[in-house]
Amino acid sequence: GQNIDQPTEMTATEGAIVQINCTYQTSGFNGLFWYQQHAGEAPTFLSYNVLDGLEEKGRFSSFLSRSKGYSYLLLKELQMKDSASYLCAEGNDYKLSFGASRGIKAAGNKLTFGGGTRVLVKP
Amino acid sequence: DVKVTQSSRYLVKRTGEKVFLECVQDMDHENMFWYRQDPGLGLRLIYFSYDVKMKEKGDIPEGYSVSREKKERFSLILESASTNQTSMYLCASSSPGQTGSGANVLTFGAGSRLTVL
Repeated sequence: GQNIDQPTEMTATEGAIVQINCTYQTSGFNGLFWYQQHAGEAPTFLSYNVLDGLEEKGRFSSFLSRSKGYSYLLLKELQMKDSASYLCAEGNDYKLSFGASRGIKAAGNKLTFGGGTRVLVKP
Repeated sequence: DVKVTQSSRYLVKRTGEKVFLECVQDMDHENMFWYRQDPGLGLRLIYFSYDVKMKEKGDIPEGYSVSREKKERFSLILESASTNQTSMYLCASSSPGQTGSGANVLTFGAGSRLTVL
């Protein structure tokens, strides 16, 4: 089965950098996602990696190493509004088979989430 | 700019009651999902659907059922609510091919916090 590990909580100072690590173990891997969730709100999509390497989006970057089953989310120039939970999620490939007459429908994937890392940014 | 709407933000029900949680999306997405979120356990997949009238069990389907009669609507049903189903329930939708590799990006609703007494 899937086992996704990330730290429970991290604290950092405004303006600093924080790196949130995530490890996963599974087959059928189809991408690693990061979501941000503020308290009492819905998770929102931050980033997605399917190939090894670094993806940069402004102050946020995400890294993936498939051979190591490892990803991290890097938050730079921390702001108070970055205080939130950060959810690591693995995409698992899912296909529906309708038999020889209708073939296989590639329906995409479903996500398996880690427990989330609560980041607290202090002044 | 509301995209995934969950009908009830907060519900309080009694043990044994039948509970309906409704979710509607306006993005014409094929895929819809129901997760529950509990402290320390993260989001766990209950059921999902890749097409109208089609449903698949997730990781924790026991005690739940779902209905997808229309593409935009995905309902979660608790036939007989129990106290261990007290949780935050999150609905999400996605469409294949949203990224270059075909992976789906989930758009979540605001959540329904259910308390079973």
